[in-house]
Amino acid sequence: EAGVAQSPRYKIIEKRQSVAFWCNPISGHATLYWYQQILGQGPKLLIQFQNNGVVDDSQLPKDRFSAERLKGVDSTLKIQPAKLEDSAVYLCASSAAAHSPLHFGNGTRLTVT
Amino acid sequence: GNSVTQMEGPVTLSEEAFLTINCTYTATGYPSLFWYVQYPGEGLQLLLKATKADDKGSNKGFEATYRKETTSFHLEKGSVQVSDSAVYFCALIDNNAGNMLTFGGGTRLMVKP
Repeated sequence: EAGVAQSPRYKIIEKRQSVAFWCNPISGHATLYWYQQILGQGPKLLIQFQNNGVVDDSQLPKDRFSAERLKGVDSTLKIQPAKLEDSAVYLCASSAAAHSPLHFGNGTRLTVT
Repeated sequence: GNSVTQMEGPVTLSEEAFLTINCTYTATGYPSLFWYVQYPGEGLQLLLKATKADDKGSNKGFEATYRKETTSFHLEKGSVQVSDSAVYFCALIDNNAGNMLTFGGGTRLMVKP
């Protein structure tokens, strides 16, 4: 089966600019996650969707970050405006159901200068 | 809250050496435990898992036993190879709190020929 697809692979922007990342989960997976992985740290959950509804966004900096999954399939994560500390790898993952293993994409590496 | 603590790296070993990467956890409920591996330039991959106390997860020569009494899930391999060089993440899902995966900080393993 095809894995979780993410794009772009790399992105370099200046602070205060905006950026968007895209994720296409494994077909049929109802649950989708966005994680932020800062260099040298473990991934931190930003937001979890179940179909097109938000399950958990308690760690999403909502003043600058937003995410949507309008049709319950693809998802986009946006940062506006970006800060230097947003430099990280943004990982998308999906799972078939609650308590099923998560499958991760290769991530988007964001550098904010 | 839930948390995962791993030994800091990097861990540097010679080929065929014995590997142990320590992992301890704190959870409010009864978690499922996981080890994920991240090879250079790739996304996170599930390595092994255990869903209840005394379970042993194993895959590719790696093993970890769920020890509730010591709240630990140490990763072991009897004979490492150069190809095992990667970053290893211990993680948990609190089965009473949806499917949110909480990661440790990761341990980089470097195996020299």
